[in-house]
Amino acid sequence: QVQLQESGPGLVKPLETLSLTCTVSGDSVTSGSYYWTWIRQPPGKGLEWIGHIHYSGGTSYNPSLKSRVTISVETSKNQFSLKLTSVTTADTAVYYCATTKGYWGQGSLVTVSS
Amino acid sequence: QAVVTQEPSLTVSPGGTVTLTCGSNTGAVTSGHYPYWFQQKPGQAPRTLIYETTNKHSWTPARFSGSLLGGKAALTLSGAQPDDEADYYCSLSLNYAGVFGGGTKLTVL
Repeated sequence: QVQLQESGPGLVKPLETLSLTCTVSGDSVTSGSYYWTWIRQPPGKGLEWIGHIHYSGGTSYNPSLKSRVTISVETSKNQFSLKLTSVTTADTAVYYCATTKGYWGQGSLVTVSS
Repeated sequence: QAVVTQEPSLTVSPGGTVTLTCGSNTGAVTSGHYPYWFQQKPGQAPRTLIYETTNKHSWTPARFSGSLLGGKAALTLSGAQPDDEADYYCSLSLNYAGVFGGGTKLTVL
């Protein structure tokens, strides 16, 4: 089965870019079976869908974040990544990578603070 | 903007049956909205119980089942156990984007 692991800085300054990577094992990011997804959860709040990508390059983003989000696939490293620009404290959350069929990473806490 | 609705809280007795629902302000939920159900316990990552309306993972207890009911997606728990006390989230694919419901806090009491 697919296993996912998020990695990236735990602290980002306001107005900078949040960058996270999800390393995939158990299958290939070029598999046509999956959409590779990012989800976040602010402390004490519910889940928010950020966006997803298919290996063919097709992407879909949350309309409320679309202007700041980029999701991409790195096939050589079997990874996919998230970039969120111009962050504010409202972007502080646990960020999860996930797939269709419902495999999840353990999550990565990102705090936005100066 | 698409909104997904869930009961904020439900209570079930041990051994009892409860149904959680997941609706959309865009109309009836169908299998084409690819309903998912997730369970989250405090301090843990969510785990998927049901994907694409009815499909279970190897780790999904048999007492959980997914369906469509009255224009909504539904998660039925039959034979509730204390360990089932958790937050439950659904998600739907609406306009090619994922949307989560606000979650249901399930108490087993």
